[in-house]
Amino acid sequence: GESVGLHLPTLSVQEGDNSIINCAYSNSASDYFIWYKQESGKGPQFIIDIRSNMDKRQGQRVTVLLNKTVKHLSLQIAATQPGDSAVYFCAETWGNKLVFGAGTILRVKS
Amino acid sequence: EAEVAQSPRYKITEKSQAVAFWCDPISGHATLYWYRQILGQGPELLVQFQDESVVDDSQLPKDRFSAERLKGVDSTLKIQPAELGDSAMYLCASSSRISGATDTQYFGPGTRLTVL
Repeated sequence: GESVGLHLPTLSVQEGDNSIINCAYSNSASDYFIWYKQESGKGPQFIIDIRSNMDKRQGQRVTVLLNKTVKHLSLQIAATQPGDSAVYFCAETWGNKLVFGAGTILRVKS
Repeated sequence: EAEVAQSPRYKITEKSQAVAFWCDPISGHATLYWYRQILGQGPELLVQFQDESVVDDSQLPKDRFSAERLKGVDSTLKIQPAELGDSAMYLCASSSRISGATDTQYFGPGTRLTVL
């Protein structure tokens, strides 16, 4: 998996604004991608997933976009709320393994 | 809503001691995973079970780590002896589809291990 130590990239947004978190993945053969949210001291929580035969999928307040040409994944959160503050991880499949990318810290300012 | 259960939530131990972590997956989930997460990084797979069988333990340090899922339901991960570098969050996850990683994995709350 990816490793960035303690210095995770941070995205700060104002409450009510939209957030976009980006992820570059490694394996062009990956066919399944997941976004997880992890709050301090807790396990990763499933947010939304997408398979490689799609380029967009929407959930409640969240949208995942997949660009296979440049191996890029993004998570859009609409009307960001204080409860959205967490570390967000993208994950891709490598063979039969799930491999996590570097996380992004989302801070929501009230 | 069904959840993955883990215990203990926190464990402090001295180096060279033995520690064990327990996981109970979501009912009916055939595939169980143990991950290690170092602070500031994403989880990394240690071992994957399909029912009671190990599917992948290539990243498990077998000189000190062992894992079992004797009846194909709950699982135990053991470290003996613990080393300072083992301090991390140990996460358990489960998924329902036999093919494993192509199905959504649901995580438990984790066990935070501190080795002194």
